[in-house]
Amino acid sequence: ETGVTQTPRHLVMGMTNKKSLKCEQHLGHNAMYWYKQSAKKPLELMFVYNFKEQTENNSVPSRFSPECPNSSHLFLHLHTLQPEDSALYLCASSQYPAGTSVFRELFFGEGSRLTVL
Amino acid sequence: EDKVVQSPLSLVVHEGDTVTLNCSYEVTNFRSLLWYKQEKKAPTFLFMLTSSGIEKKSGRLSSILDKKELSSILNITATQTGDSAIYLCAVRGGSEKLVFGKGTKLTVNP
Repeated sequence: ETGVTQTPRHLVMGMTNKKSLKCEQHLGHNAMYWYKQSAKKPLELMFVYNFKEQTENNSVPSRFSPECPNSSHLFLHLHTLQPEDSALYLCASSQYPAGTSVFRELFFGEGSRLTVL
Repeated sequence: EDKVVQSPLSLVVHEGDTVTLNCSYEVTNFRSLLWYKQEKKAPTFLFMLTSSGIEKKSGRLSSILDKKELSSILNITATQTGDSAIYLCAVRGGSEKLVFGKGTKLTVNP
């Protein structure tokens, strides 16, 4: 149990499907992140939410659509994906102490392994 | 553009060996360097380094930062099969983003 829970753990979808990945953090953190991990590539930051507001969109294609309804939940909505989008999608959370920009380490979920056929 | 390079990309050793993993970086306004261990899925936090020359230690693992050389090493002594994992290095600069390296895949054979 990492404190950050992701579902589903595995997802296979066709290019015309619409699906969503869900992330929930039980750590009381105020920042949440989506990362993409592809084989032989560094972890790529996709989106950052601080206090439910999106503060980073790292040039991610519009077929990925994040949603952060509250500071504990983060979704990644997927539609008309491409085979090259197959990867491990990792959610993470961290705490920014109020009134500072002091960084605290990320806590990761177990990831959702996505395969696009 | 901020960059993190880890070496070697993969390493195979026998139990009991000592290993040194390397991380070098180019980043604007360096703030911190972090090491993570990724066994199956979720990377787990190991160390955060902000000051040069101060070793951080946890059991058989230790790490040190050299800001002059823009690098860090992660040492693991008396390796065990449970140390087999991908070790990720990440650096935070002025942009607040964490930039990750590709990782070093360590395999410890019995």
